[in-house]
Amino acid sequence: EAQVTQNPRYLITVTGKKLTVTCSQNMNHEYMSWYRQDPGLGLRQIYYSMNVEVTDKGDVPEGYKVSRKEKRNFPLILESPSPNQTSLYFCASRSPDTSDTQYFGPGTRLTVL
Amino acid sequence: QKEVEQNSGPLSVPEGAIASLNCTYSDRGSQSFFWYRQYSGKSPELIMFIYSNGDKEDGRFTAQLNKASQYVSLLIRDSQPSDSATYLCAVNIGSSNTGKLIFGQGTTLQVKP
Repeated sequence: EAQVTQNPRYLITVTGKKLTVTCSQNMNHEYMSWYRQDPGLGLRQIYYSMNVEVTDKGDVPEGYKVSRKEKRNFPLILESPSPNQTSLYFCASRSPDTSDTQYFGPGTRLTVL
Repeated sequence: QKEVEQNSGPLSVPEGAIASLNCTYSDRGSQSFFWYRQYSGKSPELIMFIYSNGDKEDGRFTAQLNKASQYVSLLIRDSQPSDSATYLCAVNIGSSNTGKLIFGQGTTLQVKP
């Protein structure tokens, strides 16, 4: 089954404690992205990657890091989380084929106290 | 001006009616346009994509694109209560197929039985 998985699904943490949200896809997709979704602001792209070792900033990259060492994995790293990073996070992947669907993961709800 | 704009709604229509969802975008070079549906607490799922001016139909859904007016819309015919969700318009920014997708805020659709 084609899928994007994220872990953890729910996380409550404290300010300044480094965390990583993992994302993995089993469709051999080149493109992967991270988004955050906030009420009234919609989905905003944090970072995206067009292939292994190729990443670029989205609209709201501040406070986040990513890496793409393997095609299937695209972890999101918060080195020093702050309360304004409390949000719902989605990972997504797709192939470069413009007609291909973008698959979203189930989401990670993060609360930073 | 936001890069992708949608009326947040809610848009309320009776069952069986046509629901019309609209989206405008600011980047004239954009080539790829997507409509996603998102149920509360779930991840977005792709409904349709469109690249060429005109209409594209898929079942009860029709996407319409007018690049001169920088406008893309989604029509849902014979609306059903199960169509009640938030509909997100997304635009692939720039003239080439990059991984950078910009989403609108989303329009909440309510279909009343």
